[in-house]
Amino acid sequence: DQQVKQNSPSLSVQEGRISILNCDYTNSMFDYFLWYKKYPAEGPTFLISISSIKDKNEDGRFTVFLNKSAKHLSLHIVPSQPGDSAVYFCAANSGNTPLVFGKGTRLSVIA
Amino acid sequence: DTEVTQTPKHLVMGMTNKKSLKCEQHMGHRAMYWYKQKAKKPPELMFVYSYEKLSINESVPSRFSPECPNSSLLNLHLHALQPEDSALYLCASSHLGGVLYEQYFGPGTRLTVT
Repeated sequence: DQQVKQNSPSLSVQEGRISILNCDYTNSMFDYFLWYKKYPAEGPTFLISISSIKDKNEDGRFTVFLNKSAKHLSLHIVPSQPGDSAVYFCAANSGNTPLVFGKGTRLSVIA
Repeated sequence: DTEVTQTPKHLVMGMTNKKSLKCEQHMGHRAMYWYKQKAKKPPELMFVYSYEKLSINESVPSRFSPECPNSSLLNLHLHALQPEDSALYLCASSHLGGVLYEQYFGPGTRLTVT
């Protein structure tokens, strides 16, 4: 049973436009959500996080939105840049439990 | 310093070999993790160490043996591996407790078992 789902395996966006990556979760106990970015042959890099007491967190070009009632979060990247091309993993946990990762979405930003 | 280092970067080993993967962090994190990642899949948790003690073993076969000699170091000892164990092995670390739970990952060791 997948507790964290990223239903789009891939996404292509033009440079300068907005990239929206989506993530759904099923475990209502999750209270902390994270996005990681991963380039080939490298470890995941922490990007941005949000706790369940917030509905939005912004860091530069990256904004994460959380809709608890829908058990949905999204990562917005604006403007998208070619260097943003990578696989993005959504992850979630509660308390000190291990992170649960989604399967990832491959973002391609086309110049 | 927000770096987690892993050595070696690449490792090729035969099924009868014994080798070790090493991980180091100096961020004062008291939780350290081993993950295994196959191509086009998310990282799969293998082990978690909290305060240098093994707290989670996700039913990993005994041919993988973790060790945490001190709060900065984490090793993964490998013995009698199978070709299907070929993967990217990632180490991560984090603080324990509270809502700040970002895990910092190392670059990984690409393991090939022949």
